[in-house]
Amino acid sequence: GAVVSQHPSWVICKSGTSVKIECRSLDFQATTMFWYRQFPKQSLMLMATSNEGSKATYEQGVEKDKFLINHASLTLSTLTVTSAHPEDSSFYICSAFRGNTEAFFGQGTRLTVV
Amino acid sequence: GQNIDQPTEMTATEGAIVQINCTYQTSGFNGLFWYQQHAGEAPTFLSYNVLDGLEEKGRFSSFLSRSKGYSYLLLKELQMKDSASYLCAVRDGDYKLSFGAGTTVTVRA
Repeated sequence: GAVVSQHPSWVICKSGTSVKIECRSLDFQATTMFWYRQFPKQSLMLMATSNEGSKATYEQGVEKDKFLINHASLTLSTLTVTSAHPEDSSFYICSAFRGNTEAFFGQGTRLTVV
Repeated sequence: GQNIDQPTEMTATEGAIVQINCTYQTSGFNGLFWYQQHAGEAPTFLSYNVLDGLEEKGRFSSFLSRSKGYSYLLLKELQMKDSASYLCAVRDGDYKLSFGAGTTVTVRA
C-alpha cells in the first residue's frame, strides 16, 4: 500500500482562490519532504524542500508567497497555491525518503484552475 | 545544480531488451535513481545506485559509473505494460532529487 498519501487527487478551482494540498507519510516520520510540479509530457521540477519545524527552501524561480509550504509535523506537509491562476494548472507531487534510499511519491494532485 | 540528459523516446518490440542511458553533471552526488511513470500517475521506484557497478532486480538492471557521470537502465524481456516514461534522477548532498526529462518507451507487439 501507499506509504506517502497525497490529498486531494484532483481539484478544480476558480481563478483567484487558494487550494491546499496535503502530503502525509503514513508509516514513517519525514523531517524533509519535497514538492514537485509536472507539466504534460515534461519531467518533474522540484519546487521546494519542506523542512519540519523550519522554513521551506524554494528553488530558483518559485514564488514563496504564491506557493506556501507548511511542515507542521513529522508526518504532514502542506502546499497551498494562493490566488491560483490558469497557468498554475499542473500536476503537483510530493515525495519523502524513508531511510536513505527509499524515496516514495504521493499519488499526485491534478490542479485545474478555471 | 544538476544537468541530467536522457533520450526522449525509444521504441522496442515485446520480448526484446532496451537500454536507456543517462548522463549527468552534478555539484554533489548522493545516489542515482530510476523511476517508472505511467501517464497521469506518480513515479514508482525502480532502482538505486550509489556505488559503481550493476544492480540487478528481476527484469530491470541499472548501472552506474561515477567517474563518467553515466548510468543506464536495462529492461529485459519487454512486456506491453513496460510502455511508460522512465526517469533518471540524481540526488545531491541535500537529499534533493533532480530529474531528467524522461524517456518514453513504447513497446510494440
